[in-house]
Amino acid sequence: DGGITQSPKYLFRKEGQNVTLSCEQNLNHDAMYWYRQDPGQGLRLIYYSQIVNDFQKGDIAEGYSVSREKKESFPLTVTSAQKNPTAFYLCASSILSGDNSPLHFGNGTRLTVT
Amino acid sequence: GESVGLHLPTLSVQEGDNSIINCAYSNSASDYFIWYKQESGKGPQFIIDIRSNMDKRQGQRVTVLLNKTVKHLSLQIAATQPGDSAVYFCAENIGVGGSQGNLIFGKGTKLSVKP
Repeated sequence: DGGITQSPKYLFRKEGQNVTLSCEQNLNHDAMYWYRQDPGQGLRLIYYSQIVNDFQKGDIAEGYSVSREKKESFPLTVTSAQKNPTAFYLCASSILSGDNSPLHFGNGTRLTVT
Repeated sequence: GESVGLHLPTLSVQEGDNSIINCAYSNSASDYFIWYKQESGKGPQFIIDIRSNMDKRQGQRVTVLLNKTVKHLSLQIAATQPGDSAVYFCAENIGVGGSQGNLIFGKGTKLSVKP
């Protein structure tokens, strides 16, 4: 079964620590994305990547970093510079073509920083 | 005080009734629209999409209507079931060439289905 796997589902960290969230897809999609979701809010784009070894900042990239060394994987690091890191983080992927196509989402990682 | 942003618009319907969820989008240049369903603790699930050259598209039990004149999108769910209870998001894309970097999500509407 193809899909997007995010791990872990729940993550707890102390303030000042960096933490890396995993995202793997076996859909053979070119593009991958990281979104942040806060209670009662729409999704906000952190970073996205359309091809291996390349990525672009989204609307709220400050305090985050990503890498795209493999097509299947797009890990997100939440650094200690992120002022309000507690949130639900969603990874997504899509094919790239001349037409638009929908994003396919993982089931998220809930990060709590205390 | 409470933050308004914490409270989603809520639609409560009786099982078996039809549901209509509305969304106003912001950019007249948006050319692609998507509806997602998100159940508690899960990621958004694709429901249906529509391109700007259409004004209606039907799926299984769902219909999306697009009114470009007033920048309005709606999702109609026929014969609503308890399993339809979730938060529904609309999204608009002003990107070109398949780029999803310009996808803008609404805050969502919570649908509650009463048995």
